Amino acid sequence: ETGVTQTPRHLVMGMTNKKSLKCEQHLGHNAMYWYKQSAKKPLELMFVYNFKEQTENNSVPSRFSPECPNSSHLFLHLHTLQPEDSALYLCASSQDRSGIDTQYFGPGTRLTVL
Amino acid sequence: AQKITQTQPGMFVQEKEAVTLDCTYDTSDQSYGLFWYKQPSSGEMIFLIYQGSYDEQNATEGRYSLNFQKARKSANLVISASQLGDSAMYFCAMRGVSTGGFKTIFGAGTRLFVKA
Repeated sequence: ETGVTQTPRHLVMGMTNKKSLKCEQHLGHNAMYWYKQSAKKPLELMFVYNFKEQTENNSVPSRFSPECPNSSHLFLHLHTLQPEDSALYLCASSQDRSGIDTQYFGPGTRLTVL
Repeated sequence: AQKITQTQPGMFVQEKEAVTLDCTYDTSDQSYGLFWYKQPSSGEMIFLIYQGSYDEQNATEGRYSLNFQKARKSANLVISASQLGDSAMYFCAMRGVSTGGFKTIFGAGTRLFVKA
């Protein structure tokens, strides 16, 4: 398997549910990212992990909880979400923190909160 | 402040013709990178091409080329010989030291429609 994979591809959940999004990269990268893409808005960076350490939290509400057990895996735990959290959630990875290295994205998880 | 501007919300091009998607940027960084991504309706962001701020030659990748004009702070994407499969959203993006090392700034995107 190559590149960046995300599961599930689609998720529908109620506001009281707890679910998790999974991201896995097979590129040997050290940095991983979560982005949120809402309709008609630019991509919003949520979290950044470098060598398993969180280096960026872009003022994300606590109902989103990231976890990075190793450099290849990244999770986003969801609980008590709101309908406005419905969006495409994209995971990405890059080689290291050079600042100018290319990010490679997964296919995304399309989340609908009812 | 870092900023990426894509002024074309939508573009139409005839199949087999070339098309230019505009991108201007604003940065105070001396060293930065510019990227173009393609996002089909499936949602995946596909990396297309990269241009470093110190690269003297314009980047090319197959049918994609980046028209980099540093003084004008523009990084337009040129797609030659358009194909129906090129219909998608296209995002211009930038990374540099002052965007926090990891932050990539994305433009609002341009939706390209290729007509048969």
